Amino acid sequence: GNSVTQMEGPVTLSEEAFLTINCTYTATGYPSLFWYVQYPGEGLQLLLKATKADDKGSNKGFEATYRKETTSFHLEKGSVQVSDSAVYFCALTYSGGYQKVTFGTGTKLQVIP
Amino acid sequence: KAGVTQTPRYLIKTRGQQVTLSCSPISGHRSVSWYQQTPGQGLQFLFEYFSETQRNKGNFPGRFSGRQFSNSRSEMNVSTLELGDSALYLCASSPLGGGGNTGELFFGEGSRLTVL
Repeated sequence: GNSVTQMEGPVTLSEEAFLTINCTYTATGYPSLFWYVQYPGEGLQLLLKATKADDKGSNKGFEATYRKETTSFHLEKGSVQVSDSAVYFCALTYSGGYQKVTFGTGTKLQVIP
Repeated sequence: KAGVTQTPRYLIKTRGQQVTLSCSPISGHRSVSWYQQTPGQGLQFLFEYFSETQRNKGNFPGRFSGRQFSNSRSEMNVSTLELGDSALYLCASSPLGGGGNTGELFFGEGSRLTVL
């Protein structure tokens, strides 16, 4: 079956540091890939997505590139802020048809001033 | 437009009791999914409903059940509660494009269940 593997957290960074959260997946064919973010006390919200190989999703300074050859979708941000402290989830699904979304275990990010 | 609404936000139950959680999706969304979130297990898929029909189900015991109404609102029920059922239960709705699941989910803030 499909699976998503994320790097273990928590990740602690100083403000303005560079962020990378690794995500790799196991799936057949060409899934769509997503990053969701969960701020404290809230539900998840979509951060960015990519629907085909070599696509780059971006939002709020975060970026991730769909790498089919390495089955990866790593999340990056050049300069993190304290307000980026949250839990980040990598996920995949297939567009079209009745497919459930498969989530990674989440990576907690803490940014300190 | 209004987001996904879950009620109640917090509740406390004792072992053996049952609980019903409610989810109102974004207007126009016909798919509703439920997830259980715990510190140890992360996000686990419970089930998904579309047009009042369950079309996907996760690996949870039969004590966990759900349904969807004609207005797309959904409820999930957990019977004979166990301590391990303490969790944040998240509901998500999704728009359907092109006759299928585009994969993008819109989550509510969750219902936090504590079982004593």
